[in-house]
Amino acid sequence: GEDVEQSLFLSVREGDSSVINCTYTDSSSTYLYWYKQEPGAGLQLLTYIFSNMDMKQDQRLTVLLNKKDKHLSLRIADTQTGDSAIYFCAASPGGGNKLTFGTGTQLKVEL
Amino acid sequence: DTAVSQTPKYLVTQMGNDKSIKCEQNLGHDTMYWYKQDSKKFLKIMFSYNNKELIINETVPNRFSPKSPDKAHLNLHINSLELGDSAVYFCASSQNLRGLASEQFFGPGTRLTVL
Repeated sequence: GEDVEQSLFLSVREGDSSVINCTYTDSSSTYLYWYKQEPGAGLQLLTYIFSNMDMKQDQRLTVLLNKKDKHLSLRIADTQTGDSAIYFCAASPGGGNKLTFGTGTQLKVEL
Repeated sequence: DTAVSQTPKYLVTQMGNDKSIKCEQNLGHDTMYWYKQDSKKFLKIMFSYNNKELIINETVPNRFSPKSPDKAHLNLHINSLELGDSAVYFCASSQNLRGLASEQFFGPGTRLTVL
């Protein structure tokens, strides 16, 4: 089955850029997603990218996809304290509704 | 105007008991899910229903039984609770868009503690 891996922690200073990385194994994943989980809450979709794209920009968020290496990244520009949360990447093997989530990256933003 | 709601928010119970968690969505979606998030924050899908029909059933013990009385509700019943069932259980819903990107909307979670 699909395996999705992320580094567990990232710490940045307010105003810096954050880059969260993700690798996946199943090349049939049609869409790749980034979700955010704030403390005590459910996950919320941030953005997604179609597998035939290599970049998508949405305000402060930039998603880069290297399909050959099966590597996905999320860049948050001008990181704010409100961005502190756990970020999950997710893949949809075969393009269906079933998502395989990564291990989650805890982002800590320091003043 | 909550989109995906779950009850209860917290559930503390003894080993061996039977308990249920309820989920309702008012988004008009046709697909609903149950996920389990463990203490390390790993999130794993358990079940998915599309229009009241079970479509995803991961390797989950038989003690867990989902029930979907209609497409707006998906409940989770757990028999003979064990210590390892302690986790946060999330319900989610999405619209089945056949090959298009589909956002899953998550409920606030139910924190289950088995003593």
